[in-house]
Amino acid sequence: AQKITQTQPGMFVQEKEAVTLDCTYDTSDPSYGLFWYKQPSSGEMIFLIYQGSYDQQNATEGRYSLNFQKARKSANLVISASQLGDSAMYFCAMREGRDNNNDMRFGAGTRLTVKP
Amino acid sequence: DAMVIQNPRYQVTQFGKPVTLSCSQTLNHNVMYWYQQKSSQAPKLLFHYYDKDFNNEADTPDNFQSRRPNTSFCFLDIRSPGLGDAAMYLCATSRDRGMTYEQYFGPGTRLTVT
Repeated sequence: AQKITQTQPGMFVQEKEAVTLDCTYDTSDPSYGLFWYKQPSSGEMIFLIYQGSYDQQNATEGRYSLNFQKARKSANLVISASQLGDSAMYFCAMREGRDNNNDMRFGAGTRLTVKP
Repeated sequence: DAMVIQNPRYQVTQFGKPVTLSCSQTLNHNVMYWYQQKSSQAPKLLFHYYDKDFNNEADTPDNFQSRRPNTSFCFLDIRSPGLGDAAMYLCATSRDRGMTYEQYFGPGTRLTVT
């Protein structure tokens, strides 16, 4: 069974600094996709970034980058130049590839607070 | 803008009184999902539709049902809400079910059971 672990219940970062949110995963499937979502207090889950297990390069989307270390089974999210609007819950998620009838499984989340 | 819409945003129902939450999408995606999210927890998948095919999670209580009358709409029916069903309910869509497809979420419906 796939499992997503986010070990940081809460993180603080000073505005304009970079922050890394940790995510490790466990799967026996060689094909999988990793996702990060942001959930502000309003409740909507916002897709941030995707990394495929066979991708050679780390994914980047604007201020978001994914530090993908396949051997360690980690997919940490790096947010550069933090802004006050980055304060939210962040969820790491994974979908396995072996079966198209697969579900996206989420980690427990990390609450990020950006301090002015 | 194409999007996932959920109505209402806030719903209050009485213990045992059936309630229906609705979701619509303008993305023309094949897959629609319903998640339950309790405070400070990860979303928990209840079920999903792949086109007209209904896929229930093994641990989803029978109290929860779903309907998808067409591509655009999907409903979550809670037949006899209990106090433990108070939660945020998130609808999501995905173009397909492969591992590369992200899910697009609606704003959620926060359900209160009195």
